[in-house]
Amino acid sequence: DAKTTQPPSMDCAEGRAANLPCNHSTISGNEYVYWYRQIHSQGPQYIIHGLKNNETNEMASLIITEDRKSSTLILPHATLRDTAVYYCIVRANYGGSQGNLIFGKGTKLSVKP
Amino acid sequence: GAVVSQHPSRVICKSGTSVKIECRSLDFQATTMFWYRQFPKQSLMLMATSNEGSKATYEQGVEKDKFLINHASLTLSTLTVTSAHPEDSSFYICSAQTSRYEQYFGPGTRLTVT
Repeated sequence: DAKTTQPPSMDCAEGRAANLPCNHSTISGNEYVYWYRQIHSQGPQYIIHGLKNNETNEMASLIITEDRKSSTLILPHATLRDTAVYYCIVRANYGGSQGNLIFGKGTKLSVKP
Repeated sequence: GAVVSQHPSRVICKSGTSVKIECRSLDFQATTMFWYRQFPKQSLMLMATSNEGSKATYEQGVEKDKFLINHASLTLSTLTVTSAHPEDSSFYICSAQTSRYEQYFGPGTRLTVT
């Protein structure tokens, strides 16, 4: 079973920031928080990942709480092309089954004009 | 980012035939690749982990004799669905793992068994 909890759906206005929450209260010390998204009928796309510090790249920012039990993915200026299912996944960065990506149901983000 | 390709992108086959799907890491070497299956309106389900030069590890409930996996090189893994039936119709997605344990996904293969 997935070790994260996400809201099933969210709406966001085009041009506004989209803030997607994720709860991972049972995260282990060696587990990273990964975010992927899947646009309809395509393979998942990597967005960002982090361990405990906040991270930012060209796609998004990841804010992880100090106790690491939750995080928020921020898309600073959402566009219609950001409409997708967003998956928050915790996993260890090494081989073996603990390194597997286990997908939950994710959050379906709908960006509206 | 790293690029992973899959071929074919979609395939239609008759019940009882076998279908091979290829997964390639185009600009990096991947000792480990993964195969997922996704049914409509559901999330991705991990089927098996493919390690170069060794036997694949299958998830519980996945028949290894039906879903044959070969990972003969550091850039290619293949999934063969043997004796396909309509219930095997699904979206099959592979991913390849870099040396830094990052996973990149292919675009998926839509299999329809008639």
